[in-house]
Amino acid sequence: QSALTQPPSVSGSPGQSVTISCTGTSDDVAIYNRVSWYQQPPGTAPKLLISEVSNRPSGVPDRFSGSKSGNTASLTISGLQAEDEADYHCSSYTSSTTVVFGGGTKLTVL
Amino acid sequence: QVQLQESGPGLVKPSETLSLTCTVSGGSISAYYWSWIRQPPGKGLEWIGYIYYNGGTNYNPSLKSRVTISVDTSKNQFSLKLSSVTAADTAVYYCARLISRFDTTFDPWGQGTLVTVSS
Repeated sequence: QSALTQPPSVSGSPGQSVTISCTGTSDDVAIYNRVSWYQQPPGTAPKLLISEVSNRPSGVPDRFSGSKSGNTASLTISGLQAEDEADYHCSSYTSSTTVVFGGGTKLTVL
Repeated sequence: QVQLQESGPGLVKPSETLSLTCTVSGGSISAYYWSWIRQPPGKGLEWIGYIYYNGGTNYNPSLKSRVTISVDTSKNQFSLKLSSVTAADTAVYYCARLISRFDTTFDPWGQGTLVTVSS
């Protein structure tokens, strides 16, 4: 199974919006609404941000939103804040009944 | 709330077996699925596999021949064994709860433990 494809890095200024893409295949993202996103500040463990493409767990600000089109899922962060600077990872369920992650995207708040 | 804590040696010699344990507190292990995930330094996450409390397992095909995940419900713990390790297995190893075997919702995660493979 190949890793999902994420941009290595994205950046934005405070208050702006950024979108991180997560591209899979017809064996994972395209056919399952089982895409999750995780936020990982430096030196810490990943934390669940979005489940099932667009569901936000309680406690996650509504500035974070998820969507999917075809074989690409996206995470949008609006009203960017300095504390959002972190690595972001996507994951998907696959037709082989396994889990595949993306390579991770480093978000820099300028 | 449920908390997870990894434990085990931080240094393993090449060709030997890596062994880690995850202790679950604040809730019973006898529900949900329990998973291991690793992250090589400076790289992305890699799913290793999961186990259900009844012992059912599912592993990453790329690691399947070397991985064993087991559970001890009496201790509220589950464990990882990875055999024949090489430097490529150097990583931070996380344990996490998986909400469903048809999902990728891992929540919560342990703090992670760095395992270095070196002689």
